[in-house]
Amino acid sequence: GESVGLHLPTLSVQEGDNSIINCAYSNSASDYFIWYKQESGKGPQFIIDIRSNMDKRQGQRVTVLLNKTVKHLSLQIAATQPGDSAVYFCAENYPGANNLFFGTGTRLTVIP
Amino acid sequence: DTAVSQTPKYLVTQMGNDKSIKCEQNLGHDTMYWYKQDSKKFLKIMFSYNNKELIINETVPNRFSPKSPDKAHLNLHINSLELGDSAVYFCASSLITDTQYFGPGTRLTVL
Repeated sequence: GESVGLHLPTLSVQEGDNSIINCAYSNSASDYFIWYKQESGKGPQFIIDIRSNMDKRQGQRVTVLLNKTVKHLSLQIAATQPGDSAVYFCAENYPGANNLFFGTGTRLTVIP
Repeated sequence: DTAVSQTPKYLVTQMGNDKSIKCEQNLGHDTMYWYKQDSKKFLKIMFSYNNKELIINETVPNRFSPKSPDKAHLNLHINSLELGDSAVYFCASSLITDTQYFGPGTRLTVL
């Protein structure tokens, strides 16, 4: 399954399929990006980050891809599990900023 | 073991009251933040503190005031609560502007 950030805030995928969550960021000067996962009733949890000198970074079952040309970030989750159901946020930071800037989030629902 | 903790987890109060939410981090971070999350899950930064100094203050009402007694604590005081203040408030901490680690949130309901 695949979503496009602001336009498709909800993504439903079958258990075992791969998920792709997309994020369009706003500032071409941004040099640090993070994906967070927020489960119901909990605070956002760090998943994976990437700096602008990279275009891909892999973690356990997750991969973040960065395309600076079109200011696009994606999170790929392999073999999606029910425990992956949550709202996913991308966040960006640029030099001189004192804070992260969060996107609106995408709700991922995994169908057993 | 909890890295960033907040109390209380739930807060129900009447309009016009004054309330506080406490936050503590044991990560040795030098910057702490407060966020407000609305019903649509949008996370809005309210304040951040770096070494006991306020470094950003977004356009929030002055009824909201952060208080940092030391580097490990950043409390949020809210005066004259209004219905629109109902939301989930998250505390977070980081090393300068690196990855932020969030607390479990405080759900504030103003009646």
